[in-house]
Amino acid sequence: GAGVSQSPSNKVTEKGKDVELRCDPISGHTALYWYRQSLGQGLEFLIYFQGNSAPDKSGLPSDRFSAERTGGSVSTLTIQRTQQEDSAVYLCASSFTPLRGGELFFGEGSRLTVL
Amino acid sequence: SQQGEEDPQALSIQEGENATMNCSYKTSINNLQWYRQNSGRGLVHLILIRSNEREKHSGRLRVTLDTSKKSSSLLITASRAADTASYFCATGDQTGANNLFFGTGTRLTVIP
Repeated sequence: GAGVSQSPSNKVTEKGKDVELRCDPISGHTALYWYRQSLGQGLEFLIYFQGNSAPDKSGLPSDRFSAERTGGSVSTLTIQRTQQEDSAVYLCASSFTPLRGGELFFGEGSRLTVL
Repeated sequence: SQQGEEDPQALSIQEGENATMNCSYKTSINNLQWYRQNSGRGLVHLILIRSNEREKHSGRLRVTLDTSKKSSSLLITASRAADTASYFCATGDQTGANNLFFGTGTRLTVIP
């Protein structure tokens, strides 16, 4: 497709279970970002991938969170042993490199609810 | 934190009026961007202003940047009900990092 695609759009899980969220960026975009947005809040940066460089993981809130990007394209955000405070919308965005002077293209997000 | 803050948090106006939202940030920036988010959707880029620019226009949007005050404003003229959304500013810093840091957003409601 032409835009950033995220799946699933909605995920309900039980506390303690692991979840995987997928992001398929725009073809040709080498930079990929994950953000988290809690209800009515701003965006919290989680992780950033740029080409083959080591990702910037400085925003990951705990070691339960991890992400990978295979083949410089699709990315998966994994949350292990989910907690109720993990409930949020997880947004993925991609951009051309370099970012300076560029814009981010966002997906529609994956809404995670941890019961 | 480098995160910006928008002001006001919420704004309600009548259709046809102008809407002004402000953004303040903390560190030196390379550029500042404004994004729009409809309820339950992803963010859409509106406009980018570079640190060496003071004002920029795009259709009904006017953005100003004052780097001495570390602030920016977004003006939407002749508002429409379809402008109802949340608006976020995002800053890219000068350190070479490629992150964009987002503010907390202004929720705009335009009443028909």
